[in-house]
Amino acid sequence: GQQVMQIPQYQHVQEGEDFTTYCNSSTTLSNIQWYKQRPGGHPVFLIQLVKSGEVKKQKRLTFQFGEAKKNSSLHITATQTTDVGTYFCAGPTGNQFYFGTGTSLTVIP
Amino acid sequence: DTAVSQTPKYLVTQMGNDKSIKCEQNLGHDTMYWYKQDSKKFLKIMFSYNNKELIINETVPNRFSPKSPDKAHLNLHINSLELGDSAVYFCASSQGGGRYSPLHFGNGTRLTVT
Repeated sequence: GQQVMQIPQYQHVQEGEDFTTYCNSSTTLSNIQWYKQRPGGHPVFLIQLVKSGEVKKQKRLTFQFGEAKKNSSLHITATQTTDVGTYFCAGPTGNQFYFGTGTSLTVIP
Repeated sequence: DTAVSQTPKYLVTQMGNDKSIKCEQNLGHDTMYWYKQDSKKFLKIMFSYNNKELIINETVPNRFSPKSPDKAHLNLHINSLELGDSAVYFCASSQGGGRYSPLHFGNGTRLTVT
């Protein structure tokens, strides 16, 4: 079945440091989405990537979709305490929508 | 105005009981989902449903059953609850099965089985 792995599972950074999470799918994805879940909250949509090799930016966040459409990354520049949470990639396969294993980010002030 | 609402927020019950979690969306979406999030934060899809088709993840025990009275509601019924069912359950909805539109999640139901 569909597997979407993310690394690392946990990341602790000092405030101001950069952070990157990587997402790898066992199958080619038509599109990939990224979500953020704050502690105690629910996943909230951040962005969607559709094209091979696509790069999108949202302020300090940079999202990339791999050329083969099987991997993606999220990079945060100069982390802030408000970036704390778990970041998930997700994508459709068939009629199902699978989430990656998630990366939990802790930002130390 | 809440887009995806689920009730209850917390549910504490004993092993062997039967319980239901309700979910409603007012976004006019055609697809609804149930996800289970365990203590390691893994989000595992349980069901996806639109007005034509129910897709069941094959690893979900048949004690779990989705019930959809109409396209705006997808309730989750659980029979004979077990300790391992303790988790946070999220309802979500999207248009077009998530292929080109995001999922909108409810606030979650924390189920504790004792």
